[in-house]
Amino acid sequence: KNEVEQSPQNLTAQEGEFITINCSYSVGISALHWLQQHPGGGIVSLFMLSSGKKKHGRLIATINIQEKHSSLHITASHPRDSAVYICAVLAGNQFYFGTGTSLTVIP
Amino acid sequence: KAGVTQTPRYLIKTRGQQVTLSCSPISGHRSVSWYQQTPGQGLQFLFEYFSETQRNKGNFPGRFSGRQFSNSRSEMNVSTLELGDSALYLCASSLGTIIEQYFGPGTRLTVT
Repeated sequence: KNEVEQSPQNLTAQEGEFITINCSYSVGISALHWLQQHPGGGIVSLFMLSSGKKKHGRLIATINIQEKHSSLHITASHPRDSAVYICAVLAGNQFYFGTGTSLTVIP
Repeated sequence: KAGVTQTPRYLIKTRGQQVTLSCSPISGHRSVSWYQQTPGQGLQFLFEYFSETQRNKGNFPGRFSGRQFSNSRSEMNVSTLELGDSALYLCASSLGTIIEQYFGPGTRLTVT
């Protein structure tokens, strides 16, 4: 049983498209992170959320605590957005991770 | 401020051997967490150290161990390596709580 489920697993988009990645979790959490991992392995934390919505440039993240669901949106997608996006929830004293969404943006 | 560094970046070991990986956190960070990432299981939490003490532990066998030094640098050791231990091992540091972590580039371990 996975504490964190992400969808879709793979996503291909044309440059400029609006993209949504979804994350559902089954445990009580104190925070949720959206992570970005480029080929080669390095991970960057894009957002940390405990409620509501955050925006950074073309990226928007929302969380609905009651529904145990979060979404990551990318507006005006660009080939440099191609990466794996991972949802991570902090439950208790450790993180649980989704399996990731592999995004490819085609020029 | 320098980021989290991990050494070595790549490592090839033989089944049955042991390996030690190193992680240097961001200056001032006292918490270091270790994660294993494999294509099949994704990212999984190994353990977290804070002020030289293991504060949290994931569900990994005792072959996986770690320690943290007084300067907050951390090492992870895997004994009696198995083929399934081939993975990217990531460490992440944070100031105190793990709520906001910064990841290192990872060490890619291949066991043959």
